[in-house]
Amino acid sequence: NAGVMQNPRHLVRRRGQEARLRCSPMKGHSHVYWYRQLPEEGLKFMVYLQKENIIDESGMPKERFSAEFPKEGPSILRIQQVVRGDSAAYFCASSPTARVGGGYNEQFFGPGTRLTVL
Amino acid sequence: AQSVTQLGSHVSVSEGALVLLRCNYSSSVPPYLFWYVQYPNQGLQLLLKYTTGATLVKGINGFEAEFKKSETSFHLTKPSAHMSDAAEYFCAVNQNNTNAGKSTFGDGTTLTVKP
Repeated sequence: NAGVMQNPRHLVRRRGQEARLRCSPMKGHSHVYWYRQLPEEGLKFMVYLQKENIIDESGMPKERFSAEFPKEGPSILRIQQVVRGDSAAYFCASSPTARVGGGYNEQFFGPGTRLTVL
Repeated sequence: AQSVTQLGSHVSVSEGALVLLRCNYSSSVPPYLFWYVQYPNQGLQLLLKYTTGATLVKGINGFEAEFKKSETSFHLTKPSAHMSDAAEYFCAVNQNNTNAGKSTFGDGTTLTVKP
């Protein structure tokens, strides 16, 4: 069973371009989480999605950022008109469900996409 | 609301010495607590987790952590450091309620192991 896949692993964009980050969850996982890690900082929650639904986007900047998790295919984090401050590592995690019968299902993390904005 | 504070952004120990990485949390409901390790340019790997039950949790690579509710702490320890333990370590909390999903992470502690 392959782990969480993210691509590309490294992405370079110039200011004003668009960045698309892809995340394929582990097989059987229907919950996806995106986190951002700025240099020298911990991971900050951005958005939590289930198939075709955004459950919690409280950590997502209101402008230029969007996320989707379609019925078929990977989850996409899209950043429009990138700026230098968007340079960071973006991690995706997946879980089979958020909670099962009062328990907790572990989030499995992908290797991340390192975005550099020139 | 939930938050995590990791005391000490950098910890340096000698090989064979005790490792102690500190984590304090704040949560309005009983928490789930986690420690992750991150090697350079890689993703996060789960070391251990506390959900319910025994408060002393054993993880991979000889690490363990103890949940102390009275101190709102979940410190990570390892009796004897190995060179391969050099990495960044993150403590995280997830709320034990119906809105569970997102995790809140501390800012990380970089562990250096000296020969």
